[in-house]
Amino acid sequence: EVQLVESGGGLVQPGRSLRLSCAGSGFTFEDYAMHWVRQTPGKGLQWVSSINWNGGEIAYADSVKGRFTISRDNAKNSLYLQMNSLRAEDTAFYYCTKDVRTYNYGRFEYWGQGTLVTVSS
Amino acid sequence: DIQMTQSPFSLSASVGDRVTITCRASQSVSRYLNWYQQKPGKAPKLLIYSASSLQIGVPSRFSGSGSGTDFTLTIDSLQPEDFATYYCQQTYSTPLNTFGQGTNLEIK
Repeated sequence: EVQLVESGGGLVQPGRSLRLSCAGSGFTFEDYAMHWVRQTPGKGLQWVSSINWNGGEIAYADSVKGRFTISRDNAKNSLYLQMNSLRAEDTAFYYCTKDVRTYNYGRFEYWGQGTLVTVSS
Repeated sequence: DIQMTQSPFSLSASVGDRVTITCRASQSVSRYLNWYQQKPGKAPKLLIYSASSLQIGVPSRFSGSGSGTDFTLTIDSLQPEDFATYYCQQTYSTPLNTFGQGTNLEIK
């Protein structure tokens, strides 16, 4: 059974940093691209970032470019999102998702349960 | 960015009804269109990909159609577990894929 388990969310002040992690199991992690997608009540679902199977191709939404960094450790079956210079508008549930290809195909086949990030003073 | 607009925003229906949700793209996305279902407190679940292909394990009462800019998700004979929020997503401009704002399907 495919499982994706996010961790690392919490309450953080504006301008500070947070690192999210996602542990994958039940599939060959290194064979698939992975993504972060976030959800806010006001703006719905928003794709945040993607990384292909070996980290050679990475993409970011304009709203997080230059502040967030996606990475992966295939030996640990883990995906990460380093979030710097956080803003109130980054407040959301962050989901780790698995693609159906080694490259970014954009089909989010499996999702984790999400981790809540709240940016507030 | 390609904008995705769903209609209606909210929909009330009864068990056994047939419902249709529409998704319109601001420009052609060919058939690069997926549908997701989300229940309260849960992550979204992929239902349909490539406009009309049913994801493994999804009941056959769900179907999708369309191409270009106009797409529909149809649920035949609504079941109690189908009451949820539904989202469309275009992947034509991947990685800059975008979602619709969602359609909340409620019990009448």
